[in-house]
Amino acid sequence: GIQVEQSPPDLILQEGANSTLRCNFSDSVNNLQWFHQNPWGQLINLFYIPSGTKQNGRLSATTVATERYSLLYISSSQTTDSGVYFCAEKGSYIPTFGRGTSLIVHP
Amino acid sequence: DAGVTQSPTHLIKTRGQQVTLRCSPKSGHDTVSWYQQALGQGPQFIFQYYEEEERQRGNFPDRFSGHQFPNYSSELNVNALLLGDSALYLCASSLGTGGSGANVLTFGAGSRLTVL
Repeated sequence: GIQVEQSPPDLILQEGANSTLRCNFSDSVNNLQWFHQNPWGQLINLFYIPSGTKQNGRLSATTVATERYSLLYISSSQTTDSGVYFCAEKGSYIPTFGRGTSLIVHP
Repeated sequence: DAGVTQSPTHLIKTRGQQVTLRCSPKSGHDTVSWYQQALGQGPQFIFQYYEEEERQRGNFPDRFSGHQFPNYSSELNVNALLLGDSALYLCASSLGTGGSGANVLTFGAGSRLTVL
């Protein structure tokens, strides 16, 4: 199956800083989603972005399907952005998640 | 608009016991998928149910089984529990198995299972 590699594995920021999270894929990207898992375990949809760029407030995402990667940008980070960020690719009907990027934002 | 609801939120079992977890999909969704998330890992796909049948299955043993009811809700059953089954079990719903609706997963808050 498809392999999903996320980087960096851990990230510590001061409130107000910007960050870029990355996902690399071993195969074609067709159905990419980004999620945020809060400290209570809830996975929240951020973007469905098989290609192109989308923005939602302070968050934006870009997927370059031909080069098999996706980026998640967080600007002006807030403490509520803390948690784990996952990307997932549906592949051959079986979604595969990366191991996540753990983000801690300090006040 | 109700999202995905899962029950119970937490439970403790002992090795060898059996457990049943429940999931109600988001209103308007007809497909349910189950995931296991061990501590520090990403969710791993267990199986997907659509039209009351198992459509796709990940690399999990037969001890893991499921069911989907006519109202689209679903159960995950795990028999002969092992210590390694301790995890957060997540349910996700979507619309259909093909097309754009099938590609967007909405997750519940999960059921945290501890096996002693």
